[in-house]
Amino acid sequence: QSALTQPASVSGSPGQSITISCTGTSSDVGSYNLVSWYQQHPGKAPKLMIYDDIKRPSGISNRFSGSKSGNTASLTISGLQAEDESDYYCCSFAGSRTWVFGGGTMLTVL
Amino acid sequence: QVQLVQSGAEVRKPGASVTVSCKAFGYTLTNYYIHWVRQAPGQGLEWMGILNPGGSTTSYAQKFQGRVTMTRGTDTVFMELSSLKSEDTAVYFCARDLIGGSTGWSPGEYWGQGTLVTVSS
Repeated sequence: QSALTQPASVSGSPGQSITISCTGTSSDVGSYNLVSWYQQHPGKAPKLMIYDDIKRPSGISNRFSGSKSGNTASLTISGLQAEDESDYYCCSFAGSRTWVFGGGTMLTVL
Repeated sequence: QVQLVQSGAEVRKPGASVTVSCKAFGYTLTNYYIHWVRQAPGQGLEWMGILNPGGSTTSYAQKFQGRVTMTRGTDTVFMELSSLKSEDTAVYFCARDLIGGSTGWSPGEYWGQGTLVTVSS
């Protein structure tokens, strides 16, 4: 099980939109609608932002959205705010009751 | 409200074992699978395995097969990692699965606070 591939870092200015990609294979991301995204601030537990590729848990801002095409899932944050500066991780079901995370992306709000 | 509370930090020597606990509050433990995820210093999240507290069935990441054991008590789940190496130094998290009654969906909204395990001679 290889980690999903994410860019190491992305950046954007307040008010802009950014997109973080998460590339897997036809054995994980491409086979199941079970990609989730997590936000993690330093020293904190991860926080679920998106699940089932595109769904938002209750209480998560609609500025966060998920999408997927083939083996690549994406997280888009619109109307970027300073508080969005954080690490973001994707995670996918990989079959046989196993899951795999991406390497993580550091988002900097300029 | 739902909470997962983990045991405190541990220090072990190489070759030893460590057990981290995760106590569930605010819901019935057996209704949701529990994932274990770790994070080495400055590194990303790594999925280790999943436990069905209702039936004690488990599934482990290939990397940890033979070294990890996940079990449950009354309101608590346990993760034991053996034959520790310095590379096992990490914060270990438990996370409740997203969907109750499923056979595992994804790590969900509720996570423990994390337990730092340090492996050093």
